[in-house]
Amino acid sequence: DIQMTQSPSSLSASVGDRVTITCRASQTISRYLNWYQQKPGKAPKVLISAASNLQSGVPSRFSGSGSGTDFTLTISSLQPEDVATFYCQQTYSTPYSFGQGTKLEIK
Amino acid sequence: QVHLVQSGSEVKKPGASVKVSCRASGYTFSTYDIHWVRQAAGQGLEWMGWLNPNSANTGYARNFRGRVTLTRNSSISTAYMELSSLRSGDTAVYYCAVADFVNWGQGTQVTVSS
Repeated sequence: DIQMTQSPSSLSASVGDRVTITCRASQTISRYLNWYQQKPGKAPKVLISAASNLQSGVPSRFSGSGSGTDFTLTISSLQPEDVATFYCQQTYSTPYSFGQGTKLEIK
Repeated sequence: QVHLVQSGSEVKKPGASVKVSCRASGYTFSTYDIHWVRQAAGQGLEWMGWLNPNSANTGYARNFRGRVTLTRNSSISTAYMELSSLRSGDTAVYYCAVADFVNWGQGTQVTVSS
């Protein structure tokens, strides 16, 4: 099974900051990587698919990069509404494992 | 647009089974595999398995093999997740998702308590 490791597990940043979350796969997954944002009491919402494809309706301040084993989610200018927990997930092979999550707060 | 509506909350005793439904609309039911994911309170997301609604082929995560069964009724565009031999650790919100996880149901709270 492929293990997904996210870092950091929590993050506090100021409005306007550039924020980076990383995700590492235990083996190569090509670009089969999704990023999700989850707010309390809600289902996860996919932000990025295939490592770097921004989903329709997602603000352009979100971007994704990487391939193989190392991936990055970047928020170019943090907004108050971005407070959430973020997850990566590999869809290269089953079981489609998730990272453990990164909780993002505003400083 | 794609819409997934799940059945309501359940409270079950240890050892019992639960069956959660996921009714799809807004697309041809056979188009997308259906995935099930669960999340215990304050915890991360855990992928449970998938179902191909055309063939009824399924795949399950190792943690759930032997306890989870995924089925569908294509005539009513509905998928089902049945989890047996429930224990307290199965208390969680259960989600269905389709279209490579772009679309999710609203979640179903399953509580296992004596």
